[in-house]
Amino acid sequence: GENVEQHPSTLSVQEGDSAVIKCTYSDSASNYFPWYKQELGKRPQLIIDIRSNVGEKKDQRIAVTLNKTAKHFSLHITETQPEDSAVYFCAASAIPRDYKLSFGAGTTVTVRA
Amino acid sequence: DTGVSQNPRHKITKRGQNVTFRCDPISEHNRLYWYRQTLGQGPEFLTYFQNEAQLEKSRLLSDRFSAERPKGSFSTLEIQRTEQGDSAMYLCASSRVKSGANVLTFGAGSRLTVL
Repeated sequence: GENVEQHPSTLSVQEGDSAVIKCTYSDSASNYFPWYKQELGKRPQLIIDIRSNVGEKKDQRIAVTLNKTAKHFSLHITETQPEDSAVYFCAASAIPRDYKLSFGAGTTVTVRA
Repeated sequence: DTGVSQNPRHKITKRGQNVTFRCDPISEHNRLYWYRQTLGQGPEFLTYFQNEAQLEKSRLLSDRFSAERPKGSFSTLEIQRTEQGDSAMYLCASSRVKSGANVLTFGAGSRLTVL
């Protein structure tokens, strides 16, 4: 099955700096890569996703890049703010089992004011 | 519709007891999922329903676990003869495929503590 590895496990950044989280996946058939943000005690919420036919996607301060050849994808947060502090999870799924998301172990991001 | 609702939010039980969790998905979503999340880990897939049909079960779902989705609406996850290793957050999610995308919306979870 799919194996998703995520690095780093913790990340501390100064407010206003950028944060980058990297994930690798094992199943070359994977074609959908969402990122979820989970604040303490709350539900995981989708913040951005990318499909395998696209190399990069951006939404305001958040961007995701995908390298299919290397089987890795990354989340970039620019101009970090205290409210960006949370645990971020990458995930991947593959056709035809698009219903099954495999998650990374998560990255705890702390934005220092 | 206020999203995916799960009850109870917290459950403390003694080893060997049975517990049941309920999930009410977003009404127009035909797909429903159960995931398990332990401290410091990402959610792990347990099972998937399309309407009322349970189409896949993970090997993580031992025979002590049973999930149902009668009439394709709410779902229940029952754990029989609980063990301490069952302690975790049980997350429910729902979705519908739209424009080729299957975006999951998670509930807030049901936290199980087995003493």
